Amino acid sequence: AQSVSQHNHHVILSEAASLELGCNYSYGGTVNLFWYVQYPGQHLQLLLKYFSGDPLVKGIKGFEAEFIKSKFSFNLRKPSVQWSDTAEYFCAVSGDSSYKLIFGSGTRLLVRP
Amino acid sequence: SQTIHQWPATLVQPVGSPLSLECTVEGTSNPNLYWYRQAAGRGLQLLFYSVGIGQISSEVPQNLSASRPQDRQFILSSKKLLLSDSGFYLCAWSVQPSRSGYTFGSGTRLTVV
Repeated sequence: AQSVSQHNHHVILSEAASLELGCNYSYGGTVNLFWYVQYPGQHLQLLLKYFSGDPLVKGIKGFEAEFIKSKFSFNLRKPSVQWSDTAEYFCAVSGDSSYKLIFGSGTRLLVRP
Repeated sequence: SQTIHQWPATLVQPVGSPLSLECTVEGTSNPNLYWYRQAAGRGLQLLFYSVGIGQISSEVPQNLSASRPQDRQFILSSKKLLLSDSGFYLCAWSVQPSRSGYTFGSGTRLTVV
């Protein structure tokens, strides 16, 4: 079955700390991968996406993610977090020509000033 | 530019009452439309999606139904709400989700009392 696992449900960091949020997926065939972010009181927004090419993808606000096909992973990273990065982060996967995105359960990140 | 409208923002309904949540998209034609429910710690659960007028696919059998009476209108309904229907409901649209991901509405917080 298609699924996405985000193993860290809650992460607490201090400002300037480095961030890595894990995402593993189970999906047969070619995949497209996404990270979404939901800031408190705001819409879900697309942070970055991968569908082909360089497996290291850069997104908005200094975030990046690396697609490692052999590990079925698409971890999100940021070298130095800010208080404004406090949000919930969702990993999602779809198959090529699929209508649907499958989401992980999300990771709540709290950055302490 | 494309916009997505979802209303109401919050709703408190008694058990057994009907439900109607509406979502409309502007600035695009023939979008794929989706209803998700977001529950704490469980991520986003796909409820329904539609690739055209009158075409509804249900992902999770439950107390809810969806309809698409017009190209850019998607409605989530229930004849009799249950306590377990409480949650945060999100509408989304896409043209080609496998490559572009979704654009989400602002959501409806439904509390069934």
